[in-house]
Amino acid sequence: AQKITQTQPGMFVQEKEAVTLDCTYDTSDPSYGLFWYKQPSSGEMIFLIYQGSYDQQNATEGRYSLNFQKARKSANLVISASQLGDSAMYFCAMRELSGGYNKLIFGAGTRLAVHP
Amino acid sequence: GAGVSQTPSNKVTEKGKYVELRCDPISGHTALYWYRQSLGQGPEFLIYFQGTGAADDSGLPNDRFFAVRPEGSVSTLKIQRTERGDSAVYLCASSLTGWGSLNEQFFGPGTRLTVL
Repeated sequence: AQKITQTQPGMFVQEKEAVTLDCTYDTSDPSYGLFWYKQPSSGEMIFLIYQGSYDQQNATEGRYSLNFQKARKSANLVISASQLGDSAMYFCAMRELSGGYNKLIFGAGTRLAVHP
Repeated sequence: GAGVSQTPSNKVTEKGKYVELRCDPISGHTALYWYRQSLGQGPEFLIYFQGTGAADDSGLPNDRFFAVRPEGSVSTLKIQRTERGDSAVYLCASSLTGWGSLNEQFFGPGTRLTVL
């Protein structure tokens, strides 16, 4: 069964330092996509980064990078040079691509607090 | 351009009442999704529309929940005989198509439903 696990309910990081948010997933579909979303206190889900299961290189988007380890079924988000505005909930999500499924399966999230 | 909008932003109702939640997707997006986010949890998939038809309604919890998208644009999520357990934030998302590996879903701000 498809499942996303985020084992860190909360994380703290000092401003300007890097932080890694953990995500492991479970799926039997060989073709899938992994997503990270940010949810600030306003509630809106903001797309950050995407990794396809067949992508050869780890995805990067500005200060965000995804440490994709396929054999370990992990897709950790790395935020470099943390900023105060990075304080938010972060959700890892997966979409299975075979069979026409489009739903996103989300983890429980990690709350990140950036301290000055 | 305009993003996904949802109305109302907040809805308070009494147990047993009927409620309708509205979603206006991004213009031109053919795919529309409803998710429910309970307190402290990640979003949970409810239903996915491709055009006017519900392509996947496997996430609807029971027959009290129903959703329509009659003209392939605006969608309404309808909840009959509301229960206190229905209290949550209901998120709507849209994507340009229902296909492709990335198929980024853009989320609205959500409707916070409180059932007293």
